[in-house]
Amino acid sequence: GENVEQHPSTLSVQEGDSAVIKCTYSDSASNYFPWYKQELGKRPQLIIDIRSNVGEKKDQRIAVTLNKTAKHFSLHITETQPEDSAVYFCAASAPGGGYNKLIFGAGTRLAVHP
Amino acid sequence: DAGITQSPRHKVTETGTPVTLRCHQTENHRYMYWYRQDPGHGLRLIHYSYGVKDTDKGEVSDGYSVSRSKTEDFLLTLESATSSQTSVYFCAISESRMPRGKETQYFGPGTRLLVL
Repeated sequence: GENVEQHPSTLSVQEGDSAVIKCTYSDSASNYFPWYKQELGKRPQLIIDIRSNVGEKKDQRIAVTLNKTAKHFSLHITETQPEDSAVYFCAASAPGGGYNKLIFGAGTRLAVHP
Repeated sequence: DAGITQSPRHKVTETGTPVTLRCHQTENHRYMYWYRQDPGHGLRLIHYSYGVKDTDKGEVSDGYSVSRSKTEDFLLTLESATSSQTSVYFCAISESRMPRGKETQYFGPGTRLLVL
């Protein structure tokens, strides 16, 4: 089945710097890759997603890139702010059955220091 | 936030007792999911539903059962709770209508369960 690995597990940056989180997946048939942000004690919130027919997608300060050949995708946050501090999860769809299960990475704890 | 509620939000129970968690949605979405979240493991799928009375197992289904008798409600039952089931449980929903598609999942607020 699908397996998703996420790195790094923790990331500390200064306000204004960029942050990059990387994920690899194992099933070449996966075709949907969302990213979720989870603040302490809160629910995961979808922040951006990308499908396998697109190589890059941007939304203001966040962007996601996908390399299907290498089976990895990355989240890029530019001009980080303290409110970006949270745990970020990547996920990949698990094909088969038509019910679109998601397999999640273990998460990256991002700390943005003022 | 999507119209998803979970109850209870917090629960403490003893080993061996049955526990039922409820997920309720007002979005009329077809697909519903139960996850557990533990440190170092991200979110792991327990069970999911693709319609009323239609359910299937996820990657960590042992010790859990589910039921969906109405579109809006998805119940997760721990038949005999164990300490290893102490976790935060999240419900999620998704819909097949584009542009988002059925893969895009929205999460409920979560239930913190402690099994003593």
